[in-house]
Amino acid sequence: AQSVTQLGSHVSVSEGALVLLRCNYSSSVPPYLFWYVQYPNQGLQLLLKYTTGATLVKGINGFEAEFKKSETSFHLTKPSAHMSDAAEYFCAVSETGGYNKLIFGAGTRLAVHP
Amino acid sequence: GAVVSQHPSRVICKSGTSVKIECRSLDFQATTMFWYRQFPKKSLMLMATSNEGSKATYEQGVEKDKFLINHASLTLSTLTVTSAHPEDSSFYICSAPSTSGIKNIQYFGAGTRLSVL
Repeated sequence: AQSVTQLGSHVSVSEGALVLLRCNYSSSVPPYLFWYVQYPNQGLQLLLKYTTGATLVKGINGFEAEFKKSETSFHLTKPSAHMSDAAEYFCAVSETGGYNKLIFGAGTRLAVHP
Repeated sequence: GAVVSQHPSRVICKSGTSVKIECRSLDFQATTMFWYRQFPKKSLMLMATSNEGSKATYEQGVEKDKFLINHASLTLSTLTVTSAHPEDSSFYICSAPSTSGIKNIQYFGAGTRLSVL
């Protein structure tokens, strides 16, 4: 069975500081990995995804994530936080191929302060 | 990009009534859609997989008679919360996977906040 662990339910950074949101996964098959962002009372928006190929993937809003198979990790980073980045972030995993269901981590709430 | 529309965005109902939530793929066809439930400050829990023209597949622990799913067309899936009670109050989100362009992507609706009094 697949699972996702997000370390830190709350992360607080200063505006302009590095953002690092941690995600570790468990999967018996090569995974597809995703990061989604959710603003209050809204659905989820895809930030980036890893399927195959380059292990460093770039997404929207300056975010990127690196797939590290040896560490079973897919941490999300952004060099410089902006106030508008404050939101809930979810890491998710699905099985390779097809349109399989997503398994989500518990989420990390990012706060950005001036 | 593909758009998934979810309606209503918010609903308040009395205990014992039934509530229907619609999920539409606006510019693509979706033979499969997913329904999630999100508790306050919690992650999304997959409730069921909606399959066009056939029965939905429910996750373990989800009452199929409580949460009725109908996927009558390639662009519409509905979730009906039957005889709603306060414990059913939650944020319900649907998603549909991309069928063209960028594959392996799910597009999410904006969610429906259900409050049962």
